[in-house]
Amino acid sequence: KQEVTQIPAALSVPEGENLVLNCSFTDSAIYNLQWFRQDPGKGLTSLLLIQSSQREQTSGRLNASLDKSSGRSTLYIAASQPGDSATYLCAVSPNTGNQFYFGTGTSLTVIP
Amino acid sequence: EAGVAQSPRYKIIEKRQSVAFWCNPISGHATLYWYQQILGQGPKLLIQFQNNGVVDDSQLPKDRFSAERLKGVDSTLKIQPAKLEDSAVYLCASTEFAGGNTIYFGEGSWLTVV
Repeated sequence: KQEVTQIPAALSVPEGENLVLNCSFTDSAIYNLQWFRQDPGKGLTSLLLIQSSQREQTSGRLNASLDKSSGRSTLYIAASQPGDSATYLCAVSPNTGNQFYFGTGTSLTVIP
Repeated sequence: EAGVAQSPRYKIIEKRQSVAFWCNPISGHATLYWYQQILGQGPKLLIQFQNNGVVDDSQLPKDRFSAERLKGVDSTLKIQPAKLEDSAVYLCASTEFAGGNTIYFGEGSWLTVV
């Protein structure tokens, strides 16, 4: 069974810093990987989707990379802002493409 | 484009009572998911529908949980009887088709069992 781990569980940074969130998964046979944002009391919003054949995806200040062979993905947030404060979760979909396995998330606080 | 709609947003019930949650996915989305998210954990899949058929319900506690998507559009998740450990957020999500493209989540139904 696929296991997804996110480190660190919580992170606090001053505004303007660049930061990296980590995601690791045990089974490299994935269909794709997604990064999500979850605000308190809200559902999940998809930020970036990386297909298994891709190495990275970028959206604005966000850049996600994928290294299937090592079972790792990183989410890079440039020039962090207080509005980036949220929980960030990664999820992988296996080759069947039917299921999403989620990590436990990294709670990010950006201090003004 | 309307998002995934869920109701009720919040529910408090006593243990052994029953509760039902409703979800309306994005129009045209064939695949619908119900996830359970316990505080401090990532979402866990309970059941996945493709149109009105069940694709995966391996993690659904079938002795107390049931779900249906009779016409292949909206869906209902029921818990009967509820236990304290069922306190969680129940998230509904949909994708245009099975195969792992972008998944859209509703805001969730927050259940507290006392």
